[in-house]
Amino acid sequence: EDKVVQSPLSLVVHEGDTVTLNCSYEVTNFRSLLWYKQEKKAPTFLFMLTSSGIEKKSGRLSSILDKKELFSILNITATQTGDSAVYLCAVEVEVNTGNQFYFGTGTSLTVIP
Amino acid sequence: DSGVTQTPKHLITATGQRVTLRCSPRSGDLSVYWYQQSLDQGLQFLIQYYNGEERAKGNILERFSAQQFPDLHSELNLSSLELGDSALYFCASSEGIGGAERDSHYEQYFGPGTRLTVT
Repeated sequence: EDKVVQSPLSLVVHEGDTVTLNCSYEVTNFRSLLWYKQEKKAPTFLFMLTSSGIEKKSGRLSSILDKKELFSILNITATQTGDSAVYLCAVEVEVNTGNQFYFGTGTSLTVIP
Repeated sequence: DSGVTQTPKHLITATGQRVTLRCSPRSGDLSVYWYQQSLDQGLQFLIQYYNGEERAKGNILERFSAQQFPDLHSELNLSSLELGDSALYFCASSEGIGGAERDSHYEQYFGPGTRLTVT
């Protein structure tokens, strides 16, 4: 059975700290791994990592994909209160005629001023 | 604002009833996905449509059905509603369908969701 596991479940840090969020997966027909940020509303897209793009960076956020060990990490440096959210990891798999996305349960990040 | 719209925002109905949720994808997007998000289950993939055709099916109950119309908007129909169907239902869209084009990858963009409460 395809699955995506995120850790930790929740994290509380102080502003300025650096955090690392983990996502491991076990799927067949892997196509890509995506990170989303969800703040009590719709998930917003952060990164997509594929075989041809295993490292991404945008400002204070960065992510890597290890296809051999089947995991990804999302790093946030110099955290701010606005980073408080649930971070979701999703894995895209190819099925016969389309594609599916399996989501982890998320890591809830709280940044304290 | 992702460009994906969903209506209604909130829906309160009784057990046994039937409801229809509507989604309009971003302009130019051909693929539509439906998800259910509940507190205990997280975000669960229900079904995918591409240019009017069903392409992938996830954990969608037989009481639920969906379709995508020629103008690419999609509807999710939920019938014989139970208390456990109370959840946030998201629609997402993407430009293409990666599985059909091996070197192409398309991000999904989520709509604001419809909160369904079954009483």
